[in-house]
Amino acid sequence: AQTVTQSQPEMSVQEAETVTLSCTYDTSENNYYLFWYKQPPSRQMILVIRQEAYKQQNATENRFSVNFQKAAKSFSLKISDSQLGDTAMYFCAFIETSGSRLTFGEGTQLTVNP
Amino acid sequence: NAGVTQTPKFQVLKTGQSMTLQCAQDMNHEYMSWYRQDPGMGLRLIHYSVGAGITDQGEVPNGYNVSRSTTEDFPLRLLSAAPSQTSVYFCASSYSIFGEKLFFGSGTQLSVL
Repeated sequence: AQTVTQSQPEMSVQEAETVTLSCTYDTSENNYYLFWYKQPPSRQMILVIRQEAYKQQNATENRFSVNFQKAAKSFSLKISDSQLGDTAMYFCAFIETSGSRLTFGEGTQLTVNP
Repeated sequence: NAGVTQTPKFQVLKTGQSMTLQCAQDMNHEYMSWYRQDPGMGLRLIHYSVGAGITDQGEVPNGYNVSRSTTEDFPLRLLSAAPSQTSVYFCASSYSIFGEKLFFGSGTQLSVL
């Protein structure tokens, strides 16, 4: 069974600084997708960024970027110029292209301090 | 365009009671799913459907039933509620599960006493 692990239950960062959230996953497949979702206190789930495993280039969305290390099965999220609105729970998620189940990690609670 | 509509937002049940969580989407999405969110465990897949008439079990299906009679609706039934089912439940949909963004409902906070 595929697994996703987020080893940092909580993290904090000062406003305007950079923070990196870690995620590792386990799979024997070569083709898959990885995601980071954000859940603010409103409870709404918001897609932050997506990465296709066959693409070597790391995905970037404005202040959010990933460091995708396929051999190490690592998929970290970097948030630059952190803002108070970035305070949220962040979930890493994974799906194999041969499967139909999206698997989530345990989540990392990020707090941005003023 | 309402997206994914999930009702109710809050519910309190007594042990042994049954109820149905409703989920509807108006985006003509084929894929729909139910997750439960518990502290320290992330989101765990309960059941999913890849189209009308097709459902399958996820990671934690016990105690829950689903059906998919139409593309739009995917209700989740708790047959006999137990305290272990106290959780936040999310319905989600997407055009396809492969690499597509999931659209989530706003969640249901369920407490079973």
